[in-house]
Amino acid sequence: DGGITQSPKYLFRKEGQNVTLSCEQNLNHDAMYWYRQDPGQGLRLIYYSQIVNDFQKGDIAEGYSVSREKKESFPLTVTSAQKNPTAFYLCASSSGTGEQPQHFGDGTRLSIL
Amino acid sequence: QKEVEQNSGPLSVPEGAIASLNCTYSDRGSQSFFWYRQYSGKSPELIMFIYSNGDKEDGRFTAQLNKASQYVSLLIRDSQPSDSATYLCAVNMGGGSNYKLTFGKGTLLTVNP
Repeated sequence: DGGITQSPKYLFRKEGQNVTLSCEQNLNHDAMYWYRQDPGQGLRLIYYSQIVNDFQKGDIAEGYSVSREKKESFPLTVTSAQKNPTAFYLCASSSGTGEQPQHFGDGTRLSIL
Repeated sequence: QKEVEQNSGPLSVPEGAIASLNCTYSDRGSQSFFWYRQYSGKSPELIMFIYSNGDKEDGRFTAQLNKASQYVSLLIRDSQPSDSATYLCAVNMGGGSNYKLTFGKGTLLTVNP
């Protein structure tokens, strides 16, 4: 079954700790994205990658980092510099340009301990 | 600031009625428009996309695009309680070379049995 797999489903972070959210896709999509969603809010773009070994900051990149070493994988690290990390994190992928729809994984809920 | 605006709702309709969801966008050069459905606690699911002025129908769903007036709408015919969800409008602003989607905050739809 083709799709986007995010793990873990729930994650808890201690103060001062970095955590990494996993996103894997087997759709052979070139572009991948990370969004953050807060209650009652729309999706805000954190980072995106159009191709392997390249990525760009989105609207709210501060306190986050990413890598794109493989086409299938786009992990997101929430660093200790992100002071308000509690949110629903969504990974998406698309086959090409912005004209193509993005498809989402099931998301990861991150909370502060 | 490029924006996508949606009425937050809630929009309440009786079962069997037509639900009309509206979205306006600020960038006149926008070319691609997407509607996502998001159930509470779940990730967004693509319902429809539209690129050209006019109507596009898929089952009970119709997307309508008017680029001159900068609005896009989603009609749901014969609304069912299972259609109760938040509907997100997303717009690719700046043309196909721009990979980014800008999301509205969503409209909460409730279909009453």
